[in-house]
Amino acid sequence: DIQMTQSPSTLSASVGDRVTITCRASHNISSWLAWYQQKPEKAPKLLIYKASSLESGVPSRFSGSGSGTEFTLTISSLQPDDFATYYCQQYNRMGTFGQGTKLEIK
Amino acid sequence: QVQLQESGPGLVKPSQTLSLTCTVSGGSISSGGYYWSWVRQHPGKGLEWVGYISYTGSTYYNPSLKSRVTISVDTSKNQFSLSLNSVTAADTAVYYCASRQDYQLLFDYWGQGTLVTVSS
Repeated sequence: DIQMTQSPSTLSASVGDRVTITCRASHNISSWLAWYQQKPEKAPKLLIYKASSLESGVPSRFSGSGSGTEFTLTISSLQPDDFATYYCQQYNRMGTFGQGTKLEIK
Repeated sequence: QVQLQESGPGLVKPSQTLSLTCTVSGGSISSGGYYWSWVRQHPGKGLEWVGYISYTGSTYYNPSLKSRVTISVDTSKNQFSLSLNSVTAADTAVYYCASRQDYQLLFDYWGQGTLVTVSS
């Protein structure tokens, strides 16, 4: 099985900050990685797929990078709507999610 | 635009079978490229992929649940279903149905989620 590990688990930041979340895979997953945003009581929303492709309608302040086993999600300038929990998901083999990173207001 | 809607009992007794249905609207469940999946989220926890049934009818399950899970499709009703047997309190979770027409196991269509509680 492929395990996904996100860091940090919690991140405190302010509006306007640049933030980065890391996701590491236990095996090489090439670029088969997605990022989701989830707000309380809501279904997740797809932000990034294939490691760096921006889903249609997602603001350009979100970007993804990486390949193989190490990946990052970057938000270039935090907006109030961005405070949420973020999950990575590998889809190279089945669909394992990371444990999540909660982005909190500092 | 495809829309998904989960339905089923919100309370299941321990050792019984959890059964949920996802109704697909705005598209055909038989259309190529879809992996019709179930994803669950334990209260206050992260996301766990449960399994899928593909547009070809093939199924694949999370190994941790494989012995207890069945996912099936009813093309006449444009629905797919989840059956999880021998449930315990550890199966209490919000269950989402999810999919994307991309020949990949990722998700941009989600249901609103349904909470299933396992309790006597």
